[in-house]
Amino acid sequence: GQNIDQPTEMTATEGAIVQINCTYQTSGFNGLFWYQQHAGEAPTFLSYNVLDGLEEKGRFSSFLSRSKGYSYLLLKELQMKDSASYLCAVMDSNYQLIWGAGTKLIIKP
Amino acid sequence: EAEVAQSPRYKITEKSQAVAFWCDPISGHATLYWYRQILGQGPELLVQFQDESVVDDSQLPKDRFSAERLKGVDSTLKIQPAELGDSAMYLCASSPGTGDSNEQYFGPGTRLTVT
Repeated sequence: GQNIDQPTEMTATEGAIVQINCTYQTSGFNGLFWYQQHAGEAPTFLSYNVLDGLEEKGRFSSFLSRSKGYSYLLLKELQMKDSASYLCAVMDSNYQLIWGAGTKLIIKP
Repeated sequence: EAEVAQSPRYKITEKSQAVAFWCDPISGHATLYWYRQILGQGPELLVQFQDESVVDDSQLPKDRFSAERLKGVDSTLKIQPAELGDSAMYLCASSPGTGDSNEQYFGPGTRLTVT
């Protein structure tokens, strides 16, 4: 079966750095997405990785290793507004998105 | 900036009643998705359209759920009759659906409460 694993919840301090990991087992691979979802709102796109390596976008970076079935989202200089759920999703061979359950990130002052 | 529109934003209905949700994707987006998301879980795909055709509805409970996108633009998702377990956020998303443009753009969602 297809499976996406990510931690349920993480806590970090304002101004610090946090890394959210995602491991996956899917039938085929056509890219990995990270989305941010604030409580009660829709997911918003953060990043897309299809090749191995690090993609940097401002305070957020995303890393992919296809051979290990592994990705992480790195958030730097954390702000209170970064408190949200972070969803990892993999596009499989049928171009369907397989979603993880999300990691709830709590930022403390 | 173009956005996916959904209505209503909130809906409270009694079980056994019918309910309908509407979605208008970003103009020009060929692919439209309906998802259901239960609190604390990731989105679950209910149905995917490519233009007016259904690409995947394998997870759609067809005894009570129906979806259509008659002209390949906006779409309606219907539940009849609603059950208590249908309480969830219903999300619509669209994507250009070509080449590397696989990013899905989400609407604000419809929060359904069945009492």
